[in-house]
Amino acid sequence: DTAVSQTPKYLVTQMGNDKSIKCEQNLGHDTMYWYKQDSKKFLKIMFSYNNKELIINETVPNRFSPKSPDKAHLNLHINSLELGDSAVYFCASEGSGQGAYEQYFGPGTRLTVT
Amino acid sequence: AQSVTQLDSQVPVFEEAPVELRCNYSSSVSVYLFWYVQYPNQGLQLLLKYLSGSTLVKGINGFEAEFNKSQTSFHLRKPSVHISDTAEYFCAVKGAQKLVFGQGTRLTINP
Repeated sequence: DTAVSQTPKYLVTQMGNDKSIKCEQNLGHDTMYWYKQDSKKFLKIMFSYNNKELIINETVPNRFSPKSPDKAHLNLHINSLELGDSAVYFCASEGSGQGAYEQYFGPGTRLTVT
Repeated sequence: AQSVTQLDSQVPVFEEAPVELRCNYSSSVSVYLFWYVQYPNQGLQLLLKYLSGSTLVKGINGFEAEFNKSQTSFHLRKPSVHISDTAEYFCAVKGAQKLVFGQGTRLTINP
């Protein structure tokens, strides 16, 4: 049973288009994240939500807009896609209690902008 | 602010040999440290974590790490590696609200 799932797994699109990536977790966690992994494998946090509220926005261009309809879902919408947005985007959720600070990652969405 | 430096970008080893992946951190708050593994075309998976207590932490797949406060290090070790350990390994430190990752170390196992 998948803990953190993302759709789609691959996304190929042209510059200027708008696209969305969806994330769902079935772990009952309150906190969810979006990360961007570049071609050199460097991982950088983009956003964090706790129980549907935005708590971290890491100076990401406002073309990126996260949305959390409930605490199990965190979606990422990207407007006016640019070549530099090409990367792998990971969703993650974070445990509490005995599993405090442990993050569970989705399989990633590879975004290619042409 | 927190930061993590992984001292080796690539580590090649032979199968069944021991391996150490090095990680140094900097943190101005309580130190919570993690190692994650990323297999090709997959998401990250937690190997082990240090929050407090014993400085030697055991994780999954036979890995362990030692927290050394005086040297601000959290090196990852395995006494005998297998081909299936080929992956990218990330050290991370927990800051006030987020994880800060190192640059990653690519572990390649040669037969």
